Amino acid sequence: DQQVKQNSPSLSVQEGRISILNCDYTNSMFDYFLWYKKYPAEGPTFLISISSIKDKNEDGRFTVFLNKSAKHLSLHIVPSQPGDSAVYFCAASAGYGNKLVFGAGTILRVKS
Amino acid sequence: EAQVTQNPRYLITVTGKKLTVTCSQNMNHEYMSWYRQDPGLGLRQIYYSMNVEVTDKGDVPEGYKVSRKEKRNFPLILESPSPNQTSLYFCASSFIPSRGRNTEAFFGQGTRLTVV
Repeated sequence: DQQVKQNSPSLSVQEGRISILNCDYTNSMFDYFLWYKKYPAEGPTFLISISSIKDKNEDGRFTVFLNKSAKHLSLHIVPSQPGDSAVYFCAASAGYGNKLVFGAGTILRVKS
Repeated sequence: EAQVTQNPRYLITVTGKKLTVTCSQNMNHEYMSWYRQDPGLGLRQIYYSMNVEVTDKGDVPEGYKVSRKEKRNFPLILESPSPNQTSLYFCASSFIPSRGRNTEAFFGQGTRLTVV
């Protein structure tokens, strides 16, 4: 049973437009959420995170929104750039010393 | 430079031949873990370690062993590899996640393992 779900395996967006990647979770104990980006032949790299006490966190072109009641978070990339083309993983954790639980990933393609 | 180093990057082996994938980090992180990435399943945790000599099973530990004799190293051991262990493996490290001290994990570049 996947506790973190990314229901869109892939997303294609035109350069300059907004990319919206979605993630749903089922475990109400999760209190910390992260997005990782992964290029081919490289390990995932941290992109942005949000604590459950917030509903929005922004870092440059990247914004993560958290809707706790819906158990849903989303990553917005504005404006999208070709270099953003990668696999994006949503991850969540619950409290002290607990593991990150990852979604299956979404492949983002930004077309120039 | 802060990094997590895995070796080898690519490995093809035969069923039953013991192998070890090494992982080393230079950030003095307490928490280290191993993941495997399979299509449609994302990253699944195999084993993790919260400090030296402290290890525990993740979601998919069957067929794997780990050890944590030193803080910086966390090798993954496959005593008798089987074809269903063909996968992309990642080592990761971080400070121990805790309330008010959430930190991101740093990942190695991955090891592509094929068991024939």
